Amino acid sequence: AQKITQTQPGMFVQEKEAVTLDCTYDTSDPSYGLFWYKQPSSGEMIFLIYQGSYDQQNATEGRYSLNFQKARKSANLVISASQLGDSAMYFCAMGSGGSNYKLTFGKGTLLTVNP
Amino acid sequence: NAGVMQNPRHLVRRRGQEARLRCSPMKGHSHVYWYRQLPEEGLKFMVYLQKENIIDESGMPKERFSAEFPKEGPSILRIQQVVRGDSAAYFCASSPGSLQSKNIQYFGAGTRLSVL
Repeated sequence: AQKITQTQPGMFVQEKEAVTLDCTYDTSDPSYGLFWYKQPSSGEMIFLIYQGSYDQQNATEGRYSLNFQKARKSANLVISASQLGDSAMYFCAMGSGGSNYKLTFGKGTLLTVNP
Repeated sequence: NAGVMQNPRHLVRRRGQEARLRCSPMKGHSHVYWYRQLPEEGLKFMVYLQKENIIDESGMPKERFSAEFPKEGPSILRIQQVVRGDSAAYFCASSPGSLQSKNIQYFGAGTRLSVL
């Protein structure tokens, strides 16, 4: 069975600083994908970034980067130059089964960006 | 922006009524997924469908819940005889279904179901 653990229920960061949101995972599948989604207070789920288990390099998407440490089974999200609009819930998820079709989500981290 | 469209955004039902939640996938996407989010929780997988086929419904409750994705029209998640415990946010996602595309799932804004 797959499991995602997000140990930080809440995080605070000052505007313009960088912040790391932790995510560890557990799976016996050799092939899997790791995803991060953002859920602002309006409720929608916004895809941020993806990392495949066989990808050699860490994924980056604008101000988002994924610190993928396969041996430690961690996939931390790094947000650089935080903005007030980054305040939201952030969910780490893992897809497995070859096609990533069944996502397992963590419980999320509530990020608050302070001015 | 032809994203995943879900309606209604909010749905209020009394116990025993039926709830119908609709989802139109992104243009070009043929795979649809439904997830449920309880308060203070992450999303939980319910069902995965392709056109006219249920591929995996391992996350669906055995009774009262059903899903379809017909050849024409949106995907429907139906909850019969709703109970208070069904109150949750229900999210639909779609993907191209191709491994080359990483099969990233794009979500709709969700339907918030409240059962009185």
